[in-house]
Amino acid sequence: SQTIHQWPATLVQPVGSPLSLECTVEGTSNPNLYWYRQAAGRGLQLLFYSVGIGQISSEVPQNLSASRPQDRQFILSSKKLLLSDSGFYLCACALAGGPYMVGETQYFGPGTRLLVL
Amino acid sequence: AQSVAQPEDQVNVAEGNPLTVKCTYSVSGNPYLFWYVQYPNRGLQFLLKYITGDNLVKGSYGFEAEFNKSQTSFHLKKPSALVSDSALYFCAVRDLVTDSWGKLQFGAGTQVVVTP
Repeated sequence: SQTIHQWPATLVQPVGSPLSLECTVEGTSNPNLYWYRQAAGRGLQLLFYSVGIGQISSEVPQNLSASRPQDRQFILSSKKLLLSDSGFYLCACALAGGPYMVGETQYFGPGTRLLVL
Repeated sequence: AQSVAQPEDQVNVAEGNPLTVKCTYSVSGNPYLFWYVQYPNRGLQFLLKYITGDNLVKGSYGFEAEFNKSQTSFHLKKPSALVSDSALYFCAVRDLVTDSWGKLQFGAGTQVVVTP
């Protein structure tokens, strides 16, 4: 079964500083990968998803970006953090790659808590 | 557009009593429905899903959910709640008609508090 790692677990950054959060997946190949943000401990907002290396789709306009340099690596970045970027960032993986996934379950990593001051 | 509603912000139940967490959905086609649980400062854990077939789905930790197409609901249930079931529960939906990439729409979450 797949294992999802997220690094770091916790991060405190000043406003205007850059950001790089990493997600790596073990135990599967060619997964679909997703970045979510959870604000105030509640609802999840899908930020980006990727169906393959170098293929990124953005769901919400913002000052964040994502990249997938390797099959099982998904990175969330920002050049200049805003206060509103604070939150709990979750990476998720679905086992079947490509379109027309039929009922594939998303599995989540442990998350990164980001506090922007 | 697809959407998910969890009408209760919080559900309080005594240990040993039945637990129900409500979820209703709105999709343009046939729904794929999921339940997840989140403990404090942790990622989401998958509990169960409905894709097709039997309307009653059994999942992890003694949870089950019933798909009701006429009421567009997918309520999560557990016959006898444990204190350790206290957590945040999320319902999620995927509409295969409008989404080819496995994107899920999550509800706002329901906090379950089980008292001893």
